[in-house]
This record gives sequence, structure tokens and C-alpha cells, in this order.
Amino acid sequence: DSGVTQTPKHLITATGQRVTLRCSPRSGDLSVYWYQQSLDQGLQFLIQYYNGEERAKGNILERFSAQQFPDLHSELNLSSLELGDSALYFCASSVTSGGARIEQFFGPGTRLTVL
Amino acid sequence: TQLLEQSPQFLSIQEGENLTVYCNSSSVFSSLQWYRQEPGEGPVLLVTVVTGGEVKKLKRLTFQFGDARKDSSLHITAAQPGDTGLYLCAGAPGTYKYIFGTGTRLKVLA
Repeated sequence: DSGVTQTPKHLITATGQRVTLRCSPRSGDLSVYWYQQSLDQGLQFLIQYYNGEERAKGNILERFSAQQFPDLHSELNLSSLELGDSALYFCASSVTSGGARIEQFFGPGTRLTVL
Repeated sequence: TQLLEQSPQFLSIQEGENLTVYCNSSSVFSSLQWYRQEPGEGPVLLVTVVTGGEVKKLKRLTFQFGDARKDSSLHITAAQPGDTGLYLCAGAPGTYKYIFGTGTRLKVLA
């Protein structure tokens, strides 16, 4: 158990819908990262927040948005869902926001299926 | 776009065999990490290497960072069924994020 929690574990929805994925970081960690993992794309970095502020952005679509709240939990919002958005979404947390030895702890993931 | 290519993509070996997994890029990374991911779980960090030429050992696993900090290798000695999983390398091109490799799926047969 990494100490990072993600809810829900599974999510099945239809195209065009909107969903919210939730992540609670490890106690004491200020950074939260979101990743998308699909079979053909591997693990793709989406976005990072540090203590409530956006710190780095990866290949995140405009239909996706995220935020980190004052209690440090984070939410990833996915809207106008398409079939291709079906994937595993992971949240990771770390104590620091940068540096060469960032140790990220990953949650168990949310499996999103868009029908 | 910075890419990390891993090879091989798939590897199925017998218990007791040795293996090496490679992680290559044309870009320089300030650090490189290796993770193992098991089905239904998130990746778990195995090691971080920072210095070019650095070698780290973790029991039967040996990790090496290339001299030019563009590539890395993971060598497993006397593989065991418990080593089965998806191995991912991840490089930090800068300060705030890691780029993950394409992954190597290892299966060790008893």
C-alpha cells in the first residue's frame, strides 16, 4: 500500500459524458501527479500540482482539467468523453515538486471505460 | 518530443535465467528511474540513478545509467517468478516531470 488513494476504482460511462476522478496523496506529500495509461500509449504524464498550484503540464487534452484543493487532495475532470479516453488513470504523490530524485508513490488507479 | 524506448517489449524466460532490459533515448536526462508494475496496481519505484555511469544494485537487480545519461539498463540475475511484471524506465528531462518508457513485460516461468 503506497498510501495514495484513488476513487473510484472502476468507472463505466458513455461517450459525451463527464467524470471526476479523485486522489488523496500520502500524508505529508505536497505534489500530486496525474498519468494516463493505455495499452498502446504507455504511461503518459498529464499534469502536476504542488501545494495547490499547477507546476507542470504534459500531454493533457483541453477536455481534461485538474485541480488540487487546500487539503491537498486532487481531482481530474474529464469531459466530452470519447472512446479513446478509456484507460487507467493513475495519481502519484511526492514530498517535493522538483529535483532529480523525485520519488513518486502511485495510487492503485481508476479504470475508466467509455462505451 | 522526448521518447524513451525500451527493449525488449516482451520477455518470457525460465526461472534461474539472467536477463537485461534496455532503456534508450536520444535525449539527455538529469536522472532516470526504474519502476515495476504488477497487474491492477500502480508502478512501484525500484531505483533512481543520477550520475552518468552510475551502477546500483538491489539484491539480484543491477541498474546502470549510461555515461552520457541517455540510456540505462536493468539486469536481473537468476530470475524468479516473483520478478514477473511490467518494468518501466522513467527519465527526467528537467525538473518537474518524468517521461515514462514504453515498458518491458517480463514473465518468469517456474
